[in-house]
Amino acid sequence: GESVGLHLPTLSVQEGDNSIINCAYSNSASDYFIWYKQESGKGPQFIIDIRSNMDKRQGQRVTVLLNKTVKHLSLQIAATQPGDSAVYFCAENIGDYKLSFGAGTTVTVRA
Amino acid sequence: DVKVTQSSRYLVKRTGEKVFLECVQDMDHENMFWYRQDPGLGLRLIYFSYDVKMKEKGDIPEGYSVSREKKERFSLILESASTNQTSMYLCASSLRQKAFFGQGTRLTVV
Repeated sequence: GESVGLHLPTLSVQEGDNSIINCAYSNSASDYFIWYKQESGKGPQFIIDIRSNMDKRQGQRVTVLLNKTVKHLSLQIAATQPGDSAVYFCAENIGDYKLSFGAGTTVTVRA
Repeated sequence: DVKVTQSSRYLVKRTGEKVFLECVQDMDHENMFWYRQDPGLGLRLIYFSYDVKMKEKGDIPEGYSVSREKKERFSLILESASTNQTSMYLCASSLRQKAFFGQGTRLTVV
């Protein structure tokens, strides 16, 4: 079936560097995408979302890029901080307000 | 801010027990969801509900049921707990597509 997936299960980043987390999706009809951050022992926390009529959206220190041609989604975190260490999930709307999630990328920030 | 509250952070239950996981949201959201989260598998949808007394099966409903008697409350029921239901359970609510999650319940079935 169609699903959302992340390219890499882990990412190690030097503090202060920029992080890029990638996600590939296969449902070309998806019209909404969302990134979540999950810290250890907590539930997923909303970071940023984007609709399919946009290519880019910026938040505070984060940017989401959407490439519909190759069905690719990425989350960029500027000036990565220790507090950014977490598991990051992308999700796509698969209809009827349901979200389909990838397996997640664990980001570790090195001091 | 939206608040989704799950009644327990940690639970330990015995095989065969009937288990209730409770979830309450305070934003008058129509939609509520139950997911389970396992290492390497991400979040998998168990059941969801669009309105009071309405429920729909997700991807992995076997062994579970749900109840939504009030708009703010969505309960997940394990009819007869088994060890393969040991997992992290996450409740979410949404008005449209943007879902907000509770802190999770880590259930261990022994």
